[in-house]
Amino acid sequence: AQTVTQSQPEMSVQEAETVTLSCTYDTSESDYYLFWYKQPPSRQMILVIRQEAYKQQNATENRFSVNFQKAAKSFSLKISDSQLGDAAMYFCAYRSAFRDDKIIFGKGTRLHILP
Amino acid sequence: GAGVSQSPSNKVTEKGKDVELRCDPISGHTALYWYRQRLGQGLEFLIYFQGNSAPDKSGLPSDRFSAERTGESVSTLTIQRTQQEDSAVYLCASSLRGTIQETQYFGPGTRLLVL
Repeated sequence: AQTVTQSQPEMSVQEAETVTLSCTYDTSESDYYLFWYKQPPSRQMILVIRQEAYKQQNATENRFSVNFQKAAKSFSLKISDSQLGDAAMYFCAYRSAFRDDKIIFGKGTRLHILP
Repeated sequence: GAGVSQSPSNKVTEKGKDVELRCDPISGHTALYWYRQRLGQGLEFLIYFQGNSAPDKSGLPSDRFSAERTGESVSTLTIQRTQQEDSAVYLCASSLRGTIQETQYFGPGTRLLVL
């Protein structure tokens, strides 16, 4: 079975600084998708960034980028120029490329932005 | 609609009572997912509907949990004889066709508290 592990329950970063959130996963599958979701206090899960495992290039969305290390099964999220609005729970997630059902989520990292 | 909506946003019930949670997916989305999020935890997959296919119920934790979907629109998640361990946020998500490449769009969730 696939698992997703986020080892940092909470992190803090100064506004305008850069922070990296860690995620590791375990799978025997060769093809899959990895995601970072943001969940602000409103509870709405918002997709931040998505990486397809067969793509070598790290995904980037504005201030958000990932460091995808397939051999190490690591998928970290880097947030540059942190803003107060980035404060939220961040979930790393995995989805098989062979099954069209569930996404497997990590337990999340709560990110605090210090003004 | 503009996004996935869920009702009620909050529900308090007494142990042993039945509850119904509603999800309205994005119009035109054929795939619909239910997840449960316990306090401080990631999301657990519950059930998946895709068009007229038989739903994937593999994540339902017990036979007290059931879900229905009317065509490709509204879904209701029913929990019978609620227990305190059922207290959680129940999130619904939808995607256009349920294919692996697609993004799942989440609703704001229903926070259920069982006293």
